[in-house]
Amino acid sequence: DTGVSQDPRHKITKRGQNVTFRCDPISEHNRLYWYRQTLGQGPEFLTYFQNEAQLEKSRLLSDRFSAERPKGSFSTLEIQRTEQGDSAMYLCASSLSSLADDEQYFGPGTRLTVT
Amino acid sequence: DAKTTQPPSMDCAEGRAANLPCNHSTISGNEYVYWYRQIHSQGPQYIIHGLKNNETNEMASLIITEDRKSSTLILPHATLRDTAVYYCIVRAFNSGNTPLVFGKGTRLSVIA
Repeated sequence: DTGVSQDPRHKITKRGQNVTFRCDPISEHNRLYWYRQTLGQGPEFLTYFQNEAQLEKSRLLSDRFSAERPKGSFSTLEIQRTEQGDSAMYLCASSLSSLADDEQYFGPGTRLTVT
Repeated sequence: DAKTTQPPSMDCAEGRAANLPCNHSTISGNEYVYWYRQIHSQGPQYIIHGLKNNETNEMASLIITEDRKSSTLILPHATLRDTAVYYCIVRAFNSGNTPLVFGKGTRLSVIA
């Protein structure tokens, strides 16, 4: 399977713990996005990378959140001192900037539950 | 905020055409209409996009009104596997640095 992959698929953690999620985009895609989705809502943008550069961050991305894409390939999203309000599905998407329509391909998501 | 309005839910009989409406009355001249869908417990999946002409691909057809203020996504022969939340999104073309802005979408239930 050459689609976007995310790991883990599910994570249960206690409030106050740190968690880290990984996203592996489609191999030739240079753009990578993180979104968050809560129950009954559509996905909300968190942050975006072009290659290794983080070009945009949503106001939703508090200082407890940090994302990296060190070599322009896989990306990690870390949440420090988790809160119950962080419980959500975290989605990763990738795209290829050379394509005019820049279609975003999404991974299956990581479902985070903070107890 | 999302720039589109969609009904929260619709039902469709299996084998019939599913017609999903979307209002985007404030759409700009350089903005396209995109449709994505999200099957339960999966990430969103791209379906189709268009500017002002009707578009068709192997998954669906997109009909955009002449004034571009609304559109309809048509699944010609809905199957049970088409049960999903369908999102209509307006987005400037070639705007990879602009994230997708999702609303709540339409939950389509295909009934046997």
